[in-house]
Amino acid sequence: EVQLVESGGGLVQPGGSLRLSCAASGFTFSTYWMSWVRQAPGKGLEWVANVKEDGSQNYYVDSVKGRFTISRDNAKNSLYLQMNSLRDEDTAVYYCARDKIEGTTTLDFWGQGTLVTVSS
Amino acid sequence: DIQMTQSPSSLSASVGDRVTVTCRASQSIINSLNWYQQKPGKAPNLLISTASNLQSGVPSRFSGSGSGTDFTLTITSLQPEDFATYYCQQTYHIPITFGGGTKVEIK
Repeated sequence: EVQLVESGGGLVQPGGSLRLSCAASGFTFSTYWMSWVRQAPGKGLEWVANVKEDGSQNYYVDSVKGRFTISRDNAKNSLYLQMNSLRDEDTAVYYCARDKIEGTTTLDFWGQGTLVTVSS
Repeated sequence: DIQMTQSPSSLSASVGDRVTVTCRASQSIINSLNWYQQKPGKAPNLLISTASNLQSGVPSRFSGSGSGTDFTLTITSLQPEDFATYYCQQTYHIPITFGGGTKVEIK
């Protein structure tokens, strides 16, 4: 059974940092692109970033470029999102998701999400 | 960036109704369009990929159509478990973008 379990969310002050993790199981993690998608409270979905199977390519939405870094450790079946210089508008539930079709961001499995709250 | 516009933003329908949700892209995305269903407090669930390909395990009352800029999600004979929010997503160009969502509520 495919499972994605996010962790690392919490309350952080504006300008602070947080590192999210996503533990994957039930599939060959190293053969799938992975994404982070977020959802602000009561709002819609926003794609944040994705990373290639081997970590050699990654892409970001403009609003997080230069502040967030997506990475992965295939030996640990884990996906990460390092978030720096956090802003109020980064407050959201952050989901990790598996890309069903290589590089297309067709997301067939999602974690349960982890809440990040940026507030003073 | 490619803007995705869904309509309506919400609708009320009864069990057994036929429901249609539309999604328009700001430029042609060929058929690079996915549909997701999200229930309150839960992660989204992929229903349809590449405009019309029903995912395994998704009931056949769901269907998708369209190409270019205009796409449709249709639910024939709405069931109680279908009351949720539906999102379209374009995967044609980075940044990947989602529509604003359509909330399907019980009439």
